[in-house]
Amino acid sequence: QVQLVQSGAEVKEPGASVKVSCKASGYTFSVYAVHWVRQAPGQWLEWMGWIDAGNGNTQYSQNFQDRVTITRDTSASTAYMELSSLRSEDTAVYYCARNPPGTRPFDNWGQGSLVTVSS
Amino acid sequence: QSVLTQPASVSGSPGQSITISCTGTSSDVGGYNYVSWYQQHPGKAPKLMIYDVSYRPSGVSDRFSGSKSGNTASLTISGLQAEDEADYYCNSYTSYNTYVFGTGTKVTVL
Repeated sequence: QVQLVQSGAEVKEPGASVKVSCKASGYTFSVYAVHWVRQAPGQWLEWMGWIDAGNGNTQYSQNFQDRVTITRDTSASTAYMELSSLRSEDTAVYYCARNPPGTRPFDNWGQGSLVTVSS
Repeated sequence: QSVLTQPASVSGSPGQSITISCTGTSSDVGGYNYVSWYQQHPGKAPKLMIYDVSYRPSGVSDRFSGSKSGNTASLTISGLQAEDEADYYCNSYTSYNTYVFGTGTKVTVL
């Protein structure tokens, strides 16, 4: 079955960077897009960006344009999200989600990775 | 980029029907039939419930239905059950080739 397994929780200091991974299985990785969504404590979901796992093209939310980088390693069926210049407001659970080709919904999600930014 | 507007909370008794609204603009909800809805239980990842405004993925109960009029999309849950108590989020594709979520609605089964 389709699975998206994310890396574990991280604690980072303000100003540092974090890189979260999302390993896919159960489907052909390069055929789908992978999106990243975050949720701060008690807050709503926030879309961050996406990558076409086939050609590597990306698109980012303006809210994170200068700080987020999404990449993928097709040989490892893994997508990555790196967020730089971390601040306390970036403390959140970060999710990856799959998006089938030719459609727009996020049909499978990872389990989430908690990133805590604290000095 | 702005967020889609949803009511903070909606409640209903078992067996009743409730409707959650999701208001955007002509650049997102009103411009495309790419509205989806997600259910999220506490501490869990979201689950896709409705896509492309009104389509249900395999395995989702037909008690869930979606619609859209102008810049507002709606999710209706009929025959409300205790297990439906959760947070619900709408999402839309936008004219910037990006996506935007709603503010979320907490559904309480009385």
